[in-house]
Amino acid sequence: QKEVEQDPGPLSVPEGAIVSLNCTYSNSAFQYFMWYRQYSRKGPELLMYTYSSGNKEDGRFTAQVDKSSKYISLFIRDSQPSDSATYLCAMAGISGGSNYKLTFGKGTLLTVNP
Amino acid sequence: DAGITQSPRHKVTETGTPVTLRCHQTENHRYMYWYRQDPGHGLRLIHYSYGVKDTDKGEVSDGYSVSRSKTEDFLLTLESATSSQTSVYFCAISDDRPNQPQHFGDGTRLSIL
Repeated sequence: QKEVEQDPGPLSVPEGAIVSLNCTYSNSAFQYFMWYRQYSRKGPELLMYTYSSGNKEDGRFTAQVDKSSKYISLFIRDSQPSDSATYLCAMAGISGGSNYKLTFGKGTLLTVNP
Repeated sequence: DAGITQSPRHKVTETGTPVTLRCHQTENHRYMYWYRQDPGHGLRLIHYSYGVKDTDKGEVSDGYSVSRSKTEDFLLTLESATSSQTSVYFCAISDDRPNQPQHFGDGTRLSIL
C-alpha cells in the first residue's frame, strides 16, 4: 500500500461549482498536512498547511483533516477558471530521525470550465 | 513568492555528459531540497541539505550528487547523464522549525537525448 493515495483525475467542473479533492494515507506518523497548487510549467505553490484534525478555512479554500480515518480533503467554493491546476497533497511527520521529509500524493488535475 | 531561482530553466544535453543545476535562495533558510517530478510518480526527493556542507540522500539519489558551499546555493550534479534522468527538477527550501512547509522554485526542464 502506498503511503499517500490521491485520485489523479482529471476532474472537470463548471465555474461556480464546489470542488472536493481528497487524499488518504497509511502512515499514522504523519502529523502535518499541506495542499499545493501547481500551474502548468510552474513550481508547486503552498495553499494550505495544517497540523490538527478538523477544518481550516482560507477564503474560498477549506482544508479538512480526519486523522482517525487517515483522510484529508481540500474544498474549493465558487470555483473559478483560474483554479484550473494540479493539486498536490503532502504530509510530514517524524520519520527515521528526519523531521522534514515530505511525502506527496501524485496530484489531481482540475479544470474549471467558464 | 519565496526567493528561489533555479538555473537553467531549460536544458537539452546528450547521454554521458555532466550536467549541473543550480538553486539559489534569498531567504537564508537552512534546509534545501532537490526533487524530480515525472508523470505517474509525482514528486520524489533526490537529495537534501540541512546546512552548509551537510547533505543527505533522498529516495532516488542514484546517479546524482549535490553540494552546498554557501547557505544560498545548492547544486545538483548528474555526473554522466542518462535518458532516464530526463525530468523536471524542482528545488525547495524550508526554515529551521521542524515540519515546516517547503516552498518551491519554478523548476528546470532537463532533456537528455
